[in-house]
Amino acid sequence: DAMVIQNPRYQVTQFGKPVTLSCSQTLNHNVMYWYQQKSSQAPKLLFHYYDKDFNNEADTPDNFQSRRPNTSFCFLDIRSPGLGDAAMYLCATSRDSLGEQFFGPGTRLTVL
Amino acid sequence: QKEVEQDPGPLSVPEGAIVSLNCTYSNSAFQYFMWYRQYSRKGPELLMYTYSSGNKEDGRFTAQVDKSSKYISLFIRDSQPSDSATYLCAMNGRSSYKLIFGSGTRLLVRP
Repeated sequence: DAMVIQNPRYQVTQFGKPVTLSCSQTLNHNVMYWYQQKSSQAPKLLFHYYDKDFNNEADTPDNFQSRRPNTSFCFLDIRSPGLGDAAMYLCATSRDSLGEQFFGPGTRLTVL
Repeated sequence: QKEVEQDPGPLSVPEGAIVSLNCTYSNSAFQYFMWYRQYSRKGPELLMYTYSSGNKEDGRFTAQVDKSSKYISLFIRDSQPSDSATYLCAMNGRSSYKLIFGSGTRLLVRP
């Protein structure tokens, strides 16, 4: 089945220790998104790629970076995680900018 | 005022009830409307996608859009305990990739 896959599902890191989350998709969609979702809140868009074009949201902290080495994969790098970065990180894809978005299962990040 | 308003609930109903979930929005540029279901500690699952006023039905789910009133609804017929989850509405405009989410309504279907 075509899908969005995220690894790992659970990630524990220490305060200030860099962490990388990964997302892959078999949908062959052009657009990939990274969202942050905190408890009982709506997902918050961090950035997205349309193909190789990177688009950062204005309020995304510099601590968050992303890479998309090819169509199928996208990575979220958190350079120096703080306690406030503990959240669920969701990857989503869409065929184009206006289509519906399909989400992966998420990676739950804990910062100690 | 938020662009999208959604009652957070929780909404508790008995099994078999018809559930009505609603969102209102203020931006008339919104053209595409989605409903997602999110189980605890899981990613959102797309339930319905619509882009015009009117009704769209899929199994037990009906999505309704009223652009003149800036109001969207999701109806769930014959609700089941497995429908217990948080339901998020989301929308975007013709020239925008960015989904604007409601805050989500938590639904509990009691056996």
